[in-house]
Amino acid sequence: AQSVTQPDIHITVSEGASLELRCNYSYGATPYLFWYVQSPGQGLQLLLKYFSGDTLVQGIKGFEAEFKRSQSSFNLRKPSVHWSDAAEYFCAVGMQGAQKLVFGQGTRLTINP
Amino acid sequence: DVKVTQSSRYLVKRTGEKVFLECVQDMDHENMFWYRQDPGLGLRLIYFSYDVKMKEKGDIPEGYSVSREKKERFSLILESASTNQTSMYLCASSAQAGPPQHFGDGTRLSIL
Repeated sequence: AQSVTQPDIHITVSEGASLELRCNYSYGATPYLFWYVQSPGQGLQLLLKYFSGDTLVQGIKGFEAEFKRSQSSFNLRKPSVHWSDAAEYFCAVGMQGAQKLVFGQGTRLTINP
Repeated sequence: DVKVTQSSRYLVKRTGEKVFLECVQDMDHENMFWYRQDPGLGLRLIYFSYDVKMKEKGDIPEGYSVSREKKERFSLILESASTNQTSMYLCASSAQAGPPQHFGDGTRLSIL
């Protein structure tokens, strides 16, 4: 069955430290890939997306993600986190186009001062 | 500033009631979506609409219906509310063939 897994439910990092959030998917072909962020009490905001081409994609707020076909992964990274990055992050995969997405369970990010 | 507006932030209804959740977008987007969000499950697509009067089932359409009579408005209807429909409901919109781009702030619905 097609699925998206975010292995880490909760991650805590110190302000200024680097960040990597993991996302793995199970699908036979190359899907469309997305990362969203949800701040408390708000809807989701699209951080970045991968459709094809360069496997390293840049997004908003200093985030980037790398598609690794061999590992079926699309991990999100940021070199130096800020307190305002504390939020919940969702990986999503479009397996039949970019409209019907399957979301991971989410990773909650806490930033220590 | 572009906006997706959901009519209520919090809503409490009783079992068996017919419940309407309203969503309006001001971006002239073709696509609109309804998701429910539950802890540990992420977001699950209930329905989406790619044009006026057009709709497509998502992953969990049972117990729900939708209406899109105008391009800017997409309504989610719980025909006979049940306690297992207590959840956070998120509306989103996107331009043609694009992923959900703009989300509303959500409606937290409690069914008693």
